[in-house]
Amino acid sequence: NAGVMQNPRHLVRRRGQEARLRCSPMKGHSHVYWYRQLPEEGLKFMVYLQKENIIDESGMPKERFSAEFPKEGPSILRIQQVVRGDSAAYFCASSPPSRGGSSNTGELFFGEGSRLTVL
Amino acid sequence: AQSVAQPEDQVNVAEGNPLTVKCTYSVSGNPYLFWYVQYPNRGLQFLLKYITGDNLVKGSYGFEAEFNKSQTSFHLKKPSALVSDSALYFCAVRDRKGGGNKLTFGTGTQLKVEL
Repeated sequence: NAGVMQNPRHLVRRRGQEARLRCSPMKGHSHVYWYRQLPEEGLKFMVYLQKENIIDESGMPKERFSAEFPKEGPSILRIQQVVRGDSAAYFCASSPPSRGGSSNTGELFFGEGSRLTVL
Repeated sequence: AQSVAQPEDQVNVAEGNPLTVKCTYSVSGNPYLFWYVQYPNRGLQFLLKYITGDNLVKGSYGFEAEFNKSQTSFHLKKPSALVSDSALYFCAVRDRKGGGNKLTFGTGTQLKVEL
């Protein structure tokens, strides 16, 4: 399967616990994006990462949320001390790097999502 | 800031009839526009995109979209709807700052195709 892989698909946590969501981009893709989808709402951008760098975290809540994309391994979205309002579907997407200085005009490729439920 | 608006939360259409899902955009400069579809409990699937060129863009599953610069619209269309087209549709615009492919999405339109 050459698509974007997310795990776990479903995660249940109690308030105060930590949630870790993982995302492996498509082969050859070095850019990863995290989005959150709340019930009855659209997708909200959270963070954009390249290998070992956070490029844009303008959509990340200032507390409890963090993301990383290490040199080796998947990208991780970490939510500490979860609250009920964190219950949502979290989607990861990837894209290839820009080529030769011209802008990459390609689309994002999405994973199936990780659905977090906080009890 | 770049944004897109989907004015309809839900669109109902009979199978075999043409469908239109509306999207308007607000960008500085030339827009890069996209349509995605989401089936229940699934991720988003790319349908089509407008970068430059012909105003009528053809995509997956028989969908097409018409870019209209004067009306700042990018409506999704299909000549003959199928029940299997029932899903959540998102319009999106690419953020031109910061490189990469960061997309800003509309709130989505639920399409329901009935027999």
